[in-house]
Amino acid sequence: GAGVSQSPSNKVTEKGKDVELRCDPISGHTALYWYRQSLGQGLEFLIYFQGNSAPDKSGLPSDRFSAERTGGSVSTLTIQRTQQEDSAVYLCASSPGLAGGLDTQYFGPGTRLTVL
Amino acid sequence: DQQVKQNSPSLSVQEGRISILNCDYTNSMFDYFLWYKKYPAEGPTFLISISSIKDKNEDGRFTVFLNKSAKHLSLHIVPSQPGDSAVYFCAASARRYGGSQGNLIFGKGTKLSVKP
Repeated sequence: GAGVSQSPSNKVTEKGKDVELRCDPISGHTALYWYRQSLGQGLEFLIYFQGNSAPDKSGLPSDRFSAERTGGSVSTLTIQRTQQEDSAVYLCASSPGLAGGLDTQYFGPGTRLTVL
Repeated sequence: DQQVKQNSPSLSVQEGRISILNCDYTNSMFDYFLWYKKYPAEGPTFLISISSIKDKNEDGRFTVFLNKSAKHLSLHIVPSQPGDSAVYFCAASARRYGGSQGNLIFGKGTKLSVKP
């Protein structure tokens, strides 16, 4: 009965480098979400997947951010040419994807990204 | 412009007393509201939710109240326990509009400290 898992738990990188963050959702959950939490802020929505498609990318802050999901399961969030303002905790959540229903999202532990 | 506001960054309560956490929202399209609890270095954990067709939902020591006319919801914890000490996030979504599952809009959180 595994929950949402994310890797790595911590990532320190230098400005300008690319990073990849991974999310393994709860088995059977069709919906997957990425959020980030900067210091002292609430959670900020980044992108939402239903299956392998991303109907809502409205939260991605710039074109340096991209995400994909394969096989309706694992998702990868990629940040290219990282900047110091990208430093945050990146959280992934999944939900059963109940159409039109009240669909609760379950969160992973997050990846803490620090850009030096 | 914040659509979900938690105006109290922190709250301190004595063990055994009631904790009341407040949340205000501005978007009248929101129809589903959730509370999450977050411990340091962990992802948010779902606590309780309420649909806009209700004004109260209770689960054990936790009760959420929704006042649609005031665009206000609150979480009551009674009796409060030291283990309840955490950051509590209010979140909202508009599920019946737009056709998508919808991302969650989060407040900035309230840090609850329950003193023995």
